[in-house]
Amino acid sequence: RKEVEQDPGPFNVPEGATVAFNCTYSNSASQSFFWYRQDCRKEPKLLMSVYSSGNEDGRFTAQLNRASQYISLLIRDSKLSDSATYLCVGGGFKTIFGAGTRLFVKA
Amino acid sequence: NAGVTQTPKFQVLKTGQSMTLQCAQDMNHEYMSWYRQDPGMGLRLIHYSVGAGITDQGEVPNGYNVSRSTTEDFPLRLLSAAPSQTSVYFCASRQTGDRSPLHFGNGTRLTVT
Repeated sequence: RKEVEQDPGPFNVPEGATVAFNCTYSNSASQSFFWYRQDCRKEPKLLMSVYSSGNEDGRFTAQLNRASQYISLLIRDSKLSDSATYLCVGGGFKTIFGAGTRLFVKA
Repeated sequence: NAGVTQTPKFQVLKTGQSMTLQCAQDMNHEYMSWYRQDPGMGLRLIHYSVGAGITDQGEVPNGYNVSRSTTEDFPLRLLSAAPSQTSVYFCASRQTGDRSPLHFGNGTRLTVT
């Protein structure tokens, strides 16, 4: 089993929709997790950090469920500009990324 | 702020050639790492370092060497380039501590013919 696994996608949603991505992890020692956004052929950029049960930043909500070993990212009121690949990763020395989930937001 | 700087941005090599991808950061981060990303795929960890003089292997270390003589620099060496090493390479750094996120360089796009 890979250390981090994500919904494969792609997700195709209309503008204004709510979309959720899940990410499961196997390394229970990780204390923190991160969601990154990556635009085509660009470097990943930090979207949100998740340390405890979760946090919210505007239209984005990230949640952590340690018992089930998964983290989720919820995007409300999707915008065309949200179209990108979303990557999850756990903290720790071997920072292993999930394969990413591609999101397409359509007008 | 420079952050994480990678050079070169683009490189074309012939099979069997060697080269070094440079990575430098000016944030005094102890942790640095190298990833490769193939088309349509996620980031795969090649090597990482938790401080000067300390390196370790990631998921896909074969064909690559690293060293960490200073806190600022973490070069990645391809000893004998192969077409399978055609990829985009990202260098990243972060502060020590589980809660610190990675900061990425802009990437090096390498083609091996």
